[in-house]
Amino acid sequence: GNSVTQMEGPVTLSEEAFLTINCTYTATGYPSLFWYVQYPGEGLQLLLKATKADDKGSNKGFEATYRKETTSFHLEKGSVQVSDSAVYFCAFLYGGSQGNLIFGKGTKLSVKP
Amino acid sequence: SAVISQKPSRDICQRGTSLTIQCQVDSQVTMMFWYRQQPGQSLTLIATANQGSEATYESGFVIDKFPISRPNLTFSTLTVSNMSPEDSSIYLCSLRTVADTQYFGPGTRLTVL
Repeated sequence: GNSVTQMEGPVTLSEEAFLTINCTYTATGYPSLFWYVQYPGEGLQLLLKATKADDKGSNKGFEATYRKETTSFHLEKGSVQVSDSAVYFCAFLYGGSQGNLIFGKGTKLSVKP
Repeated sequence: SAVISQKPSRDICQRGTSLTIQCQVDSQVTMMFWYRQQPGQSLTLIATANQGSEATYESGFVIDKFPISRPNLTFSTLTVSNMSPEDSSIYLCSLRTVADTQYFGPGTRLTVL
């Protein structure tokens, strides 16, 4: 079936460290891919998206590249800040415009000063 | 992006009572959704709120427990009926744009005693 496998957390990093959160998906066809972020006590915010193979989504220093050959959409940031501490969710939209948005389990990131 | 507001932002309710959550969006959209996020978990789709017709519920969710209204293209309500402590969750309203990008409201944090 269709699913998202996301790196389990929690992940704890020091400020200015490099971040990678792995995400792979299982689906037929070519879904649109998303990363959402949930800061403590808040709802979900769209962080970035990619809609076709080799697209790179980027926002706030975060990047992710749609890798069709490995069905992956890993999230990276070169230098994390304390304010990046949050839960990150990988998701994909399966089934086109009428389809469902399928979420990973989320990865909690804590950045220490 | 999209502006989504929800009311109330949080509530503490007694077992056996019902709570209605309101969701207002800033533009007319075809697709609106309601999600539940249990503590420390990912998001689960409750239903798709259809304008002018009955909502489409996901497996495990029923209309008697979670009645939904969608009187127009910018507003929807979700009622959590006959609540029990197991209903304590964050409830999130969501919309999907014509570009197949999905946005989320800030959530309603419900605690049932």
